[in-house]
Amino acid sequence: DTAVSQTPKYLVTQMGNDKSIKCEQNLGHDTMYWYKQDSKKFLKIMFSYNNKELIINETVPNRFSPKSPDKAHLNLHINSLELGDSAVYFCASSQTHNTGELFFGEGSRLTVL
Amino acid sequence: QKEVEQNSGPLSVPEGAIASLNCTYSDRGSQSFFWYRQYSGKSPELIMFIYSNGDKEDGRFTAQLNKASQYVSLLIRDSQPSDSATYLCAGNTGNQFYFGTGTSLTVIP
Repeated sequence: DTAVSQTPKYLVTQMGNDKSIKCEQNLGHDTMYWYKQDSKKFLKIMFSYNNKELIINETVPNRFSPKSPDKAHLNLHINSLELGDSAVYFCASSQTHNTGELFFGEGSRLTVL
Repeated sequence: QKEVEQNSGPLSVPEGAIASLNCTYSDRGSQSFFWYRQYSGKSPELIMFIYSNGDKEDGRFTAQLNKASQYVSLLIRDSQPSDSATYLCAGNTGNQFYFGTGTSLTVIP
């Protein structure tokens, strides 16, 4: 069983389209995250949810909208995709927002043409 | 200002040598620190975590934390070609995890 799973693994789309990435964790963790990793390998926090409540919303364009229907799921919807959105998006979870390690999903590579 | 800074490298060491990776952080409120290894095209995986000043050893890996100087390091003894990867340092401020830019390590057979 995969601890943190995200789908799809690859997305290739045109500028201006809308896309979604889904994430699920079966670890019973309270906190889930979305990170963006650029070509230089820098992992930047985008959002964090603790028990379905948004606790971190970094400076991210409002074209990005996270949704957490329950504490085991955190989805990411992106509107009006731009070239600069091309990156690998990682979902992660941790026991709480201030304890434990981060467990990462396999990543979703988004390419915007 | 970046919360966690790392030398991006690349760092090259011969097989069997000690690889030393360093990280500094700016937030004195950071409570715990983590080293992740990331192979190309894969997700980060935890190598070690450290909360207290001093050294923590796990097999060939030793993490060192010096809160007064605000630095964290990772030593890899008897480096193997399979250790070739990007190593990411992360801190937790009590609210979220911040990552450094990563250090690329190549172990030369």
